[in-house]
Amino acid sequence: GNSVTQMEGPVTLSEEAFLTINCTYTATGYPSLFWYVQYPGEGLQLLLKATKADDKGSNKGFEATYRKETTSFHLEKGSVQVSDSAVYFCAGISGTYKYIFGTGTRLKVLA
Amino acid sequence: DVKVTQSSRYLVKRTGEKVFLECVQDMDHENMFWYRQDPGLGLRLIYFSYDVKMKEKGDIPEGYSVSREKKERFSLILESASTNQTSMYLCASSLAYRESRTKNIQYFGAGTRLSVL
Repeated sequence: GNSVTQMEGPVTLSEEAFLTINCTYTATGYPSLFWYVQYPGEGLQLLLKATKADDKGSNKGFEATYRKETTSFHLEKGSVQVSDSAVYFCAGISGTYKYIFGTGTRLKVLA
Repeated sequence: DVKVTQSSRYLVKRTGEKVFLECVQDMDHENMFWYRQDPGLGLRLIYFSYDVKMKEKGDIPEGYSVSREKKERFSLILESASTNQTSMYLCASSLAYRESRTKNIQYFGAGTRLSVL
């Protein structure tokens, strides 16, 4: 069946370090892919998205490229800040409505 | 901005109680969802509604029911709460799927953390 696999956390980085959170998907067809972020005490909010192969989603300094050949959608940021500390979820949409979520990766950025 | 409001941030209930979790969205979205979020398991879909009075089971519907009498409101009901239903519950909404629509973005409420004692 369809699935999304993302790296387990927690990930702990120093401020201004480079961030990569890996995400791979298994799906029939080519799903739209998303990264959501959940800040402490809040619900999920969309961080970025890509709807087809080679699309690059970007927002707030984060980027992810939809790689069909490796079925991946890795999240990257060149220089993380303390305010980026949160849980990050990779997700894909399968069919007409059903999201498939990864298990989430907790990021902690130290000053 | 889309706003999805969940009526309670924290709830504490006793085993066997009937529990209602309420969710309201203000953007005229057709689709509404209830998820539960547990450490190491991510988000799991409990129920989905694509129209008033319409519902579909998600991946883990056992022990839950839902009600959607109005387009903007989607309620999750625990008929007889049990300790294994202690969790974070997230409501979400989205526009109806369209092939030409590239968004299909889900908008989430802040969540209700339910403890069943």
